[in-house]
Amino acid sequence: DTAVSQTPKYLVTQMGNDKSIKCEQNLGHDTMYWYKQDSKKFLKIMFSYNNKELIINETVPNRFSPKSPDKAHLNLHINSLELGDSAVYFCASSQVGRGQSTFGSGTRLTVV
Amino acid sequence: AQSVSQHNHHVILSEAASLELGCNYSYGGTVNLFWYVQYPGQHLQLLLKYFSGDPLVKGIKGFEAEFIKSKFSFNLRKPSVQWSDTAEYFCALTGANNLFFGTGTRLTVIP
Repeated sequence: DTAVSQTPKYLVTQMGNDKSIKCEQNLGHDTMYWYKQDSKKFLKIMFSYNNKELIINETVPNRFSPKSPDKAHLNLHINSLELGDSAVYFCASSQVGRGQSTFGSGTRLTVV
Repeated sequence: AQSVSQHNHHVILSEAASLELGCNYSYGGTVNLFWYVQYPGQHLQLLLKYFSGDPLVKGIKGFEAEFIKSKFSFNLRKPSVQWSDTAEYFCALTGANNLFFGTGTRLTVIP
């Protein structure tokens, strides 16, 4: 069983389009995250959701919006995609107090 | 403010050489520290972690790391690297409800 699953694994789209990336975890964790990994492999936190409440929202463009229908899911919706949005996006989950996160396999987004 | 620094951006070693990757952190409270590895084309995997207790922690695949509180360091070591260790290595620190990552160190092992 996959602990943290993301779909799709690859996404190629044109500038200006709107797209979503889905994430699901079956670990019973109460916190989920979205990270962006740029071309230099640097990981940056984008969002964190705890019990369906946004608790950390880094200074990312408001074109990015996380949506969490329940604590097992945290989807990432991106409006008006730009070339600079091309990156690998990782979903992760953790349990409060334990720190350690489990990561999904990543979604490689390419904007052309 | 929390931060994690990895000063080695790219390390190139021959097989059987010893490895030490540096990680320094800044944090005002009790720390939880991690090393993650990302093999080419794959997702992040936990290599080892330190929460408390013995400052020398053993991880998978022969890796270990030592927490030195006085130096704010958590360096990763392996006595003898293999070609299959070629990957990106990330040091991370927990703070509140989040992980803070270093910028990563790319390790290339030459057969």
